[in-house]
Amino acid sequence: EAGVVQSPRYKIIEKKQPVAFWCNPISGHNTLYWYRQNLGQGPELLIRYENEEAVDDSQLPKDRFSAERLKGVDSTLKIQPAELGDSAVYLCASKRQAWDNSPLHFGNGTRLTVT
Amino acid sequence: EDKVVQSPLSLVVHEGDTVTLNCSYEVTNFRSLLWYKQEKKAPTFLFMLTSSGIEKKSGRLSSILDKKELFSILNITATQTGDSAIYLCAVEAPTSNTGKLIFGQGTTLQVKP
Repeated sequence: EAGVVQSPRYKIIEKKQPVAFWCNPISGHNTLYWYRQNLGQGPELLIRYENEEAVDDSQLPKDRFSAERLKGVDSTLKIQPAELGDSAVYLCASKRQAWDNSPLHFGNGTRLTVT
Repeated sequence: EDKVVQSPLSLVVHEGDTVTLNCSYEVTNFRSLLWYKQEKKAPTFLFMLTSSGIEKKSGRLSSILDKKELFSILNITATQTGDSAIYLCAVEAPTSNTGKLIFGQGTTLQVKP
């Protein structure tokens, strides 16, 4: 089966500019996650979707970050405006169901550099 | 607050050495512990552990969980340069029927030829 697909792989922007990341989860996976991974750290959850509903967005900085998962398949994560501290790798992951006993599958991530 | 702590944070060994990576956790509602390997891109799944004392093995890698002492180890025997990566430990600790995964900081392993 095809894995989780993310684009772009890399993005370099100036601070205060907007940026968007896209994720296509594995077919049939209802649960979708966005994680942020800072250099030298483990991934930290930003938001989790069950189908098209955001069920856990407590770690999402809502003043500048937004996400959507229209139709419960693809998802986009947006930052507007970006700050220097947003430089990180943004990982998307999916799972068939949140409660099933299976691991998360990750995409290759988008490496964001804010200058 | 739920947390996952890995040690060491970094490790340099030579090919052929055996390494042990550690992961300890404090969570309120443990469900499973997972190990991932991350090279330059996506974390790739290695093991999922749910029961204490049962070793999971895949080639030169093995892992075991101790739910009483709240830790897990990942062993790599006869290391190769291709084992160089960041090894991530994550604990699934749902508060309801959710798949919340809490990651440790990772252990960066470098295997020298």
